[in-house]
Amino acid sequence: KAGVTQTPRYLIKTRGQQVTLSCSPISGHRSVSWYQQTPGQGLQFLFEYFSETQRNKGNFPGRFSGRQFSNSRSEMNVSTLELGDSALYLCASSLGTGDGNQPQHFGDGTRLSIL
Amino acid sequence: AQRVTQPEKLLSVFKGAPVELKCNYSYSGSPELFWYVQYSRQRLQLLLRHISRESIKGFTADLNKGETSFHLKKPFAQEEDSAMYYCALGGNTNAGKSTFGDGTTLTVKP
Repeated sequence: KAGVTQTPRYLIKTRGQQVTLSCSPISGHRSVSWYQQTPGQGLQFLFEYFSETQRNKGNFPGRFSGRQFSNSRSEMNVSTLELGDSALYLCASSLGTGDGNQPQHFGDGTRLSIL
Repeated sequence: AQRVTQPEKLLSVFKGAPVELKCNYSYSGSPELFWYVQYSRQRLQLLLRHISRESIKGFTADLNKGETSFHLKKPFAQEEDSAMYYCALGGNTNAGKSTFGDGTTLTVKP
């Protein structure tokens, strides 16, 4: 079974631009979560989608948004990029049984650098 | 509110010494605890979950509801155990959300 796939692996953008990251979950997984990982802040939860609906949201500004398609693939968008958005963005999928008890399977992440 | 605390950002032990990575949680429902590990240049992956009660790579973790802890232990550390370890909390009242601690970087010295 293929693992979680994130594209692209690396991105370089400048301030003010916007970016879209993509995540393909493990086949059969309906829950997709997004995290921001930085050396100083650790792993910060962005949001979680289940069956095309945002089910949970972290404490990030509205510039960070996402969506999930009917095939469970998910995209994350960041608008008006700031220097502080430079980070590794991780996607994780799980069965999403609805009780939060399933382990998460992570992708390799997208390394976003803002110049 | 869900909260996970890993009090040590860095932990260093010598090879062959016992190691314990601490994790405390705050949660009003029935908790589901996990340990994830990220080795250098590898993706974050599940190490173990409390409901499985299994030992992975010599690591064990026991859920102590009285102390709200889920410490990760290994009796004899190996150099290949050097990695970043995250404790995570899922639960039955916050569907789909896992809360991660800040992580502990374990270094096992030869």
